[in-house]
Amino acid sequence: SQQGEEDPQALSIQEGENATMNCSYKTSINNLQWYRQNSGRGLVHLILIRSNEREKHSGRLRVTLDTSKKSSSLLITASRAADTASYFCATALTGANSKLTFGKGITLSVRP
Amino acid sequence: EAEVAQSPRYKITEKSQAVAFWCDPISGHATLYWYRQILGQGPELLVQFQDESVVDDSQLPKDRFSAERLKGVDSTLKIQPAELGDSAMYLCASSFGTGSGTQYFGPGTRLTVL
Repeated sequence: SQQGEEDPQALSIQEGENATMNCSYKTSINNLQWYRQNSGRGLVHLILIRSNEREKHSGRLRVTLDTSKKSSSLLITASRAADTASYFCATALTGANSKLTFGKGITLSVRP
Repeated sequence: EAEVAQSPRYKITEKSQAVAFWCDPISGHATLYWYRQILGQGPELLVQFQDESVVDDSQLPKDRFSAERLKGVDSTLKIQPAELGDSAMYLCASSFGTGSGTQYFGPGTRLTVL
């Protein structure tokens, strides 16, 4: 079953613009992670935010988490053509041996 | 930088044949995962190992899929017999700790069943 649902499904922007992607989930989590996947490749971990954190930064990435709304957003600032990829949010539920559950992903296209 | 290795990268087989995929995790990572990713979807966990023990195989179709990690290092995922619906990307990942932490993915094996 899908725990995380990303929105929008697809996003097309011009190089230099900011990209905002959203993720909503249904049950309480231990943490939420964002991954990137280039076409035909494996996933690359971008950032992890714990349930007691509200915002994290990593380079051009900014992630927020609102546990009251059960939602997260990923902001990529000053996008580049190389940011073109699929982005997935993954949630880890509370409890021992929790696994990651991935959403269906967002396809981001950055036009040069 | 250490990486998760997978082979083969691509596999084309006919239905009813047996296929096997191999994964070598990052050295020192106790937890290993096999995921299946259908085109346009997110990865779905098939099996999770902690060292050589299976922690979660609730989504593994056990009538045709098997996975092993005999010495707690590398792992093999087998499908026998393959069906048309098995066409997908098979991803291996590893992590230092338990399943809720950061996972490191290999490049995947693209399986096509004809």
